[in-house]
Amino acid sequence: GQQVMQIPQYQHVQEGEDFTTYCNSSTTLSNIQWYKQRPGGHPVFLIQLVKSGEVKKQKRLTFQFGEAKKNSSLHITATQTTDVGTYFCAGVGSGGYQKVTFGTGTKLQVIP
Amino acid sequence: DSGVTQTPKHLITATGQRVTLRCSPRSGDLSVYWYQQSLDQGLQFLIQYYNGEERAKGNILERFSAQQFPDLHSELNLSSLELGDSALYFCASSVEQGAGYGYTFGSGTRLTVV
Repeated sequence: GQQVMQIPQYQHVQEGEDFTTYCNSSTTLSNIQWYKQRPGGHPVFLIQLVKSGEVKKQKRLTFQFGEAKKNSSLHITATQTTDVGTYFCAGVGSGGYQKVTFGTGTKLQVIP
Repeated sequence: DSGVTQTPKHLITATGQRVTLRCSPRSGDLSVYWYQQSLDQGLQFLIQYYNGEERAKGNILERFSAQQFPDLHSELNLSSLELGDSALYFCASSVEQGAGYGYTFGSGTRLTVV
């Protein structure tokens, strides 16, 4: 079945440093979504990427979808303490039923 | 407030007991999804309903069952509870069968089995 892995599992960065998390799917995806879960909170939808090679930006966050539509990345420039949380990618499968598989998540700690 | 309402927020119960978790989806959303998140773990998909019908099943134990009612709210029933069932249970909703526009998650029910 469809599997979605994320690396790294954990990342500690000094405030102001950049951060990147990578998402890899075992199958070709229809699209990919990213979510953020703050400590003690619930996942919140950030963005969806649909096209091969697509790049989208949200302020300091840059999201990329790979050319083969099997991988994606989230890059945060100049991290802030408000970026703390777990970032999940969610791969949306092809076909009539768009099965969603959440990645394993990357937990980000920002040291002030 | 995400628009998805889950009750109760916290639940403490003993092993062997049965509990019901409730979810009201965001207005206009027809799909409801249930996820389990154990401590510092990922999101394990349990089951999906769309407009009252079961649409997809994930790693849901036989001791667990769910349904979606005509008013679109959903209930997740957990029976013969074990210590390992302690987790956060999230409900999410979306407007359609798939995830084309992303999921909206509720704030979760934290279940503790003692």
